[in-house]
Amino acid sequence: GNSVTQMEGPVTLSEEAFLTINCTYTATGYPSLFWYVQYPGEGLQLLLKATKADDKGSNKGFEATYRKETTSFHLEKGSVQVSDSAVYFCALSGAGTSYDKVIFGPGTSLSVIP
Amino acid sequence: DSGVTQTPKHLITATGQRVTLRCSPRSGDLSVYWYQQSLDQGLQFLIQYYNGEERAKGNILERFSAQQFPDLHSELNLSSLELGDSALYFCASSVDNRPNNNEQFFGPGTRLTVL
Repeated sequence: GNSVTQMEGPVTLSEEAFLTINCTYTATGYPSLFWYVQYPGEGLQLLLKATKADDKGSNKGFEATYRKETTSFHLEKGSVQVSDSAVYFCALSGAGTSYDKVIFGPGTSLSVIP
Repeated sequence: DSGVTQTPKHLITATGQRVTLRCSPRSGDLSVYWYQQSLDQGLQFLIQYYNGEERAKGNILERFSAQQFPDLHSELNLSSLELGDSALYFCASSVDNRPNNNEQFFGPGTRLTVL
C-alpha cells in the first residue's frame, strides 16, 4: 500500500546549522507530495508542495525536490532559526486507489537551540 | 488562522461517556477530514467527507462515527469512551478532492481527556 517514511527524530540543531529531514514514499501512480509543519500547541499547516517529478517546492527558506527515481522528497534549509522548532510531516496524496486521501508520515521533531 | 474552526477547544469526560466534536471548514471547502493525534500513535487519519458523503475511511473505531451536514460542517461522535481515546482531534478541510489541490487546512484541534 501507499506509505510515507521519515527519518526518526528528535533532531537537535544549533542555530544557523543546515537541516535535512529525509522522506521517502511508496505509492502507485504519480502522487503529489507535501511537507506540513506543526508548531507547538497548533494544528498542522502546509509548508510546501510539489505535484510532479523534478518539481521543487519552496517556502520560508525551506526546499524539497520531488525525486521520482529515488521516491524521495527530502526537506532542506540552509540556516535554521530557533523559530523553526516544530514537528515536520511529509505527506502524499493522489496515489492509486486512495486517490484523494492524504497519507502522512510519522513526523520528525526538530529543536533548534541558540 | 487557517479558517477552520473546531469546538470545543478542550473536553474532559469520563470513561463510558459519549462526546461530539464539531468542525466548520473554510468557506468554500467541500472536503472535511478528521485525524487523531496521540503521543504513541502519531497522526492517524480517521475519516473523510466530501460534499456530505463519506469518501474515505482510515483507522476509525466502530465506537466512532462522523457526518457532514448540508452546510458542510462536520461532527465526530465518540462513544463508550476509553482512557486510550484521550488525544488531540484535528479537523482539516480542502477545496475538493483533487490531489494537486489537496492542500489541507487544519483547525486548532480539540483536546479530549478521558478520566
